[in-house]
Amino acid sequence: GAVVSQHPSRVICKSGTSVKIECRSLDFQATTMFWYRQFPKKSLMLMATSNEGSKATYEQGVEKDKFLINHASLTLSTLTVTSAHPEDSSFYICSASRGRRAYEQYFGPGTRLTVT
Amino acid sequence: AQSVAQPEDQVNVAEGNPLTVKCTYSVSGNPYLFWYVQYPNRGLQFLLKYITGDNLVKGSYGFEAEFNKSQTSFHLKKPSALVSDSALYFCAVNTGGFKTIFGAGTRLFVKA
Repeated sequence: GAVVSQHPSRVICKSGTSVKIECRSLDFQATTMFWYRQFPKKSLMLMATSNEGSKATYEQGVEKDKFLINHASLTLSTLTVTSAHPEDSSFYICSASRGRRAYEQYFGPGTRLTVT
Repeated sequence: AQSVAQPEDQVNVAEGNPLTVKCTYSVSGNPYLFWYVQYPNRGLQFLLKYITGDNLVKGSYGFEAEFNKSQTSFHLKKPSALVSDSALYFCAVNTGGFKTIFGAGTRLFVKA
């Protein structure tokens, strides 16, 4: 149990376009979802935390207008990178937690975004 | 502020030998500690956690970790390394809230 999927696994887009990444909890209801960004050979950087039906809480330094997060249901959160630029190229990972145990996170497989 | 330190960027060990990947933490409050493993171009896989109770925690794939409160450490160990254990390992800490802090990661190379 506790499987999280991400789609797509890889995406290449042109500079200036927007791209949407989906994160789904397949066998549980995710009360909280997290979006991370991982740079090459670096640790995970938390971008934002989202609870179903409410606005996401963004970490300091993360542009909320650029990285749009929607947590529309208890099983789906989306990250939209708007007007993508090459510096947005990265590995994006989502995770989900259930109930009050927000500290127990289940991670998706990640999405490799390349902006050309 | 919460922080996690993984002092080694890389650990090299021969197959069959014991391995240790170090982690120390700094939190105010009781720590919830985690180890995750990441294979290339993949998400994080949960290995084990310490929330409360026995200081020695056993996890997946034969890994274990010991919570040492006085030394604020949570080192990951395995008695006999496998080549397939080669991966990137992350230690993480949480104090029961929404934010989990990850260490910088330690790359483990197991040589046949």
